[in-house]
Amino acid sequence: LAKTTQPISMDSYEGQEVNITCSHNNIATNDYITWYQQFPSQGPRFIIQGYKTKVTNEVASLFIPADRKSSTLSLPRVSLSDTAVYYCLVGDLPPRNTGKLIFGQGTTLQVKP
Amino acid sequence: EAGVVQSPRYKIIEKKQPVAFWCNPISGHNTLYWYLQNLGQGPELLIRYENEEAVDDSQLPKDRFSAERLKGVDSTLKIQPAELGDSAVYLCASSLAGGSNEQFFGPGTRLTVL
Repeated sequence: LAKTTQPISMDSYEGQEVNITCSHNNIATNDYITWYQQFPSQGPRFIIQGYKTKVTNEVASLFIPADRKSSTLSLPRVSLSDTAVYYCLVGDLPPRNTGKLIFGQGTTLQVKP
Repeated sequence: EAGVVQSPRYKIIEKKQPVAFWCNPISGHNTLYWYLQNLGQGPELLIRYENEEAVDDSQLPKDRFSAERLKGVDSTLKIQPAELGDSAVYLCASSLAGGSNEQFFGPGTRLTVL
């Protein structure tokens, strides 16, 4: 599975747009990019998944350039409740990937008032 | 819809004692996972079940850890005997088969070994 690199931490203020970039230089053709969010004392929660270009849902947008060697999770107008750890994962989809997800250290986002 | 249920939420034991964690996945999810998460790190997969079958247990320390999912629904993860280094959060997750890397995680069991 492709290894990912993302910043250890980021700070932001309420109302700002936050962009977290993840590098995955060795991404394979069949790999998808998935982002999870984890609050303290909770399990991770799926945010968004994409293969190329742009994916948007009610929570976030995911931008993937043509070479797919990186991706950017965009959180619009963050609030204090968006303070969490964000994980970028890269891998094929089940059943080919056998469901195994490899989490790195993630990016700790601190949103300030 | 109920999420993944785990119990207990917290457990404190002395080293060399046994401990067990229970997980009830989301109804209809055939795939069940147990993860271990150390402080400041991302979750690490211990074992994955497809129905009753453990299809990936390569990361499970089999000398002291065991798991079962007898009827393809609930699962139990056991440690015997526990060591100081086993202090961590144990997460259970479940998913539908195929098409997405979306796994649904429970709140975890925080284990402290004294």
